[in-house]
Amino acid sequence: EDQVTQSPEALRLQEGESSSLNCSYTVSGLRGLFWYRQDPGKGPEFLFTLYSAGEEKEKERLKATLTKKESFLHITAPKPEDSATYLCAVPSQGAQKLVFGQGTRLTINP
Amino acid sequence: GAVVSQHPSWVICKSGTSVKIECRSLDFQATTMFWYRQFPKQSLMLMATSNEGSKATYEQGVEKDKFLINHASLTLSTLTVTSAHPEDSSFYICSAEQGPGNTIYFGEGSWLTVV
Repeated sequence: EDQVTQSPEALRLQEGESSSLNCSYTVSGLRGLFWYRQDPGKGPEFLFTLYSAGEEKEKERLKATLTKKESFLHITAPKPEDSATYLCAVPSQGAQKLVFGQGTRLTINP
Repeated sequence: GAVVSQHPSWVICKSGTSVKIECRSLDFQATTMFWYRQFPKQSLMLMATSNEGSKATYEQGVEKDKFLINHASLTLSTLTVTSAHPEDSSFYICSAEQGPGNTIYFGEGSWLTVV
């Protein structure tokens, strides 16, 4: 069964304190791994798609990496505006849908 | 990035009435659209998948006669909540896929409150 697990569930950092969010996945035949950012009361905002192990993508203070079993979202010198819930998802192997992790709720304190 | 728009952003309706939420892909043709429901501090719960011109595929436990989904064109899908009850109050989000294997983009979400 396709499964996505994110950790930690919640993370509180000081402004400027770098860290990483983890997304572990179990799916046969990975067809991409997606990262989204969701602010309270809004729909998820697309951040990255990774397709193969070793691939990396960057956007401002965020960098996403992918291995055969997990993906990391590294956040460097975060700012309070980076506070949000970060979701990762993979396309299901057996059905036409995304399988989401539970998300990591990130809070950056000024 | 691609834009998916939902309308209305929020709606209040009386118990027993029906309400329609629209989801539009503004700058691409969406072969597949998805409808989700989200409760506070919880992850997205997929309700149904719709392919243009076909009947929607509903997830287990989702009442297809209550949550009517129409995907009549490549840029528009609608979710109609029929005979709404207070327990249907929630945040509804749609997403759209340009084609298999492509990135899936989400709308801004629609808040439904049934009074």
